[in-house]
Amino acid sequence: AQKVTQAQTEISVVEKEDVTLDCVYETRDTTYYLFWYKQPPSGELVFLIRRNSFDEQNEISGRYSWNFQKSTSSFNFTITASQVVDSAVYFCALSEPNRDDKIIFGKGTRLHILP
Amino acid sequence: KAGVTQTPRYLIKTRGQQVTLSCSPISGHRSVSWYQQTPGQGLQFLFEYFSETQRNKGNFPGRFSGRQFSNSRSEMNVSTLELGDSALYLCASRDTYEQYFGPGTRLTVT
Repeated sequence: AQKVTQAQTEISVVEKEDVTLDCVYETRDTTYYLFWYKQPPSGELVFLIRRNSFDEQNEISGRYSWNFQKSTSSFNFTITASQVVDSAVYFCALSEPNRDDKIIFGKGTRLHILP
Repeated sequence: KAGVTQTPRYLIKTRGQQVTLSCSPISGHRSVSWYQQTPGQGLQFLFEYFSETQRNKGNFPGRFSGRQFSNSRSEMNVSTLELGDSALYLCASRDTYEQYFGPGTRLTVT
């Protein structure tokens, strides 16, 4: 069965520190998609990245980077030089397009960036 | 392009009542999904509609239902409300690659 685990429920770091949010997933399919979303205090989920199972290249977008490792079923998210505006809840998610294509979310990691 | 809109944004209902929430997807998107978010259970998938047909359904009781209209707008209905239905209900519209979420409707059942 598909499952997403975000073991870190809450993290606090001081501004300008780097922080990594962990995501471990379970799936029986070889074709799947992984996502990260950000939910600021306003409540709206903001799409950050979508990665398919055949593309293991790491991705960098500004201060954000993602490390996808199929060998460990992990899709970790790193924020470099964190800022207060990065404070939010971050969700990792998984979908299996050849099965039911539902997007299954992890429980989220609440990130506090302290000034 | 306008984003996903949800109405109302906030709602207070009494146990036993029913409620209807509305979602207008991004123009051109034919898929609309609904999620329930609670502190205890996190984000849980309710159902997905595509071109007026329910394509996927999560593990929720029959009190939760939905529909989609020909203009892709979707409604979600919860009948016989229970205290545990208090949650943030999020709607998302989807194109081929990404799912875009609305601001949500916060439902409080008293």
